Amino acid sequence: DTEVTQTPKHLVMGMTNKKSLKCEQHMGHRAMYWYKQKAKKPPELMFVYSYEKLSINESVPSRFSPECPNSSLLNLHLHALQPEDSALYLCASSQVVAGGPGGETQYFGPGTRLLVL
Amino acid sequence: GNSVTQMEGPVTLSEEAFLTINCTYTATGYPSLFWYVQYPGEGLQLLLKATKADDKGSNKGFEATYRKETTSFHLEKGSVQVSDSAVYFCALVGSTSGTYKYIFGTGTRLKVLA
Repeated sequence: DTEVTQTPKHLVMGMTNKKSLKCEQHMGHRAMYWYKQKAKKPPELMFVYSYEKLSINESVPSRFSPECPNSSLLNLHLHALQPEDSALYLCASSQVVAGGPGGETQYFGPGTRLLVL
Repeated sequence: GNSVTQMEGPVTLSEEAFLTINCTYTATGYPSLFWYVQYPGEGLQLLLKATKADDKGSNKGFEATYRKETTSFHLEKGSVQVSDSAVYFCALVGSTSGTYKYIFGTGTRLKVLA
């Protein structure tokens, strides 16, 4: 099973709302990632968690707050977003963080399509 | 730094035509190379990978060979189907200052006509 699940599939929120995106994997992977993808563009890395600890933050604005409560779950908390934050948010996981043995292959979820009004 | 360059799309082909999507890379050392496919409204799916020079990745009729001498990883398929219509991303995993990250190309949209 190489499945990464994400909820919700679609989300519409106002600029004053607080919402959360959820990601789950049961492959025993110890690295999890959040990416942002704008239309017709490649995914852009936002955060990397390795063994439930934040290892990379690509200078993402603080209105995005990641959380990794356990090895299977990854959340992205959203607060006071801007319309330009509208995008497809992708979660991915790999056995270990890239660079480690077996760590190269990332498995992506279907994404959450976010619209900020 | 590390980078991936893909051919500009869109690529439009008739069903059963031969497909080539070019991908070249710049990286230090020996990166692992990947092709991902994204169908409309979906996330990325791993299509194939190669982890060292001269390796050939293959899956679902698609193939790509890791060519270190030309720093290329071109995607090929002998006979495309309408269901292959999607966006294809070439990617590498490489180190920048000791931190390993995925670097994606800009993606190539493929449209296959019946």
